[in-house]
Amino acid sequence: QITLKESGPTLVKPTQTLTLTCTFSGFSLSTPAVGVGWIRQPPGKALEWLSLIYWDDDKRYSPSLKTRLTITKDTSKNQVVLTMTNMDPVDTATYYCAHQGGVKPFDIWGQGTVVTVSS
Amino acid sequence: QTVVTQEPSLTVSPGGTVTLTCASSTGAVTSSYYPSWFQQKPGQAPRALIYSTSNKHSWTPARFSGSLLGGKAALTLSGVQPEDEAEFYCLLYSDGTWVFGGGTKLTVL
Repeated sequence: QITLKESGPTLVKPTQTLTLTCTFSGFSLSTPAVGVGWIRQPPGKALEWLSLIYWDDDKRYSPSLKTRLTITKDTSKNQVVLTMTNMDPVDTATYYCAHQGGVKPFDIWGQGTVVTVSS
Repeated sequence: QTVVTQEPSLTVSPGGTVTLTCASSTGAVTSSYYPSWFQQKPGQAPRALIYSTSNKHSWTPARFSGSLLGGKAALTLSGVQPEDEAEFYCLLYSDGTWVFGGGTKLTVL
């Protein structure tokens, strides 16, 4: 059974850097074609794909946020970390991580973590 | 950057059939965009329904089906149930990245 859980601060100040951790079980990020992605959803708004890291350390970023995002993985800990720099109130959202299995994008999701950006 | 467009809202009667569509600003949606569909109910994380245009996950009810229709990806719900009321999002793969549509709010009335 695949599970994922997001963790990180619930409140960050403008200009600060956000660091989110996705801890997963039920799969390995060293398995070919497997990946973990990050998606966010501002209150009352649509989903927005942010980033994805594959088993071979291939990393993909949303073009509109590429300069602010960094994704890394720790295969031994079953964790994926996303950092987002220069946080702004518009970045207030629920942040989700999700499993990517080959041609099945984001088939399993974490419960999400709410991040508020406010001074 | 690719923009993915969905109907903002649709209404269907219980037992009816409805089709949601997903268009790309770059042109016709093909299987190379690996269209996927997700359902989200209030307060819940999204749930994957369809991948690679028309493939169902093991948990996807049979009344959901995916296809390509007139240059768009499409999600058809046949025999709609009250519990199908939700927000539906499509997802397209483009130039090595993923893009979600703006979502369709489906009302069952």
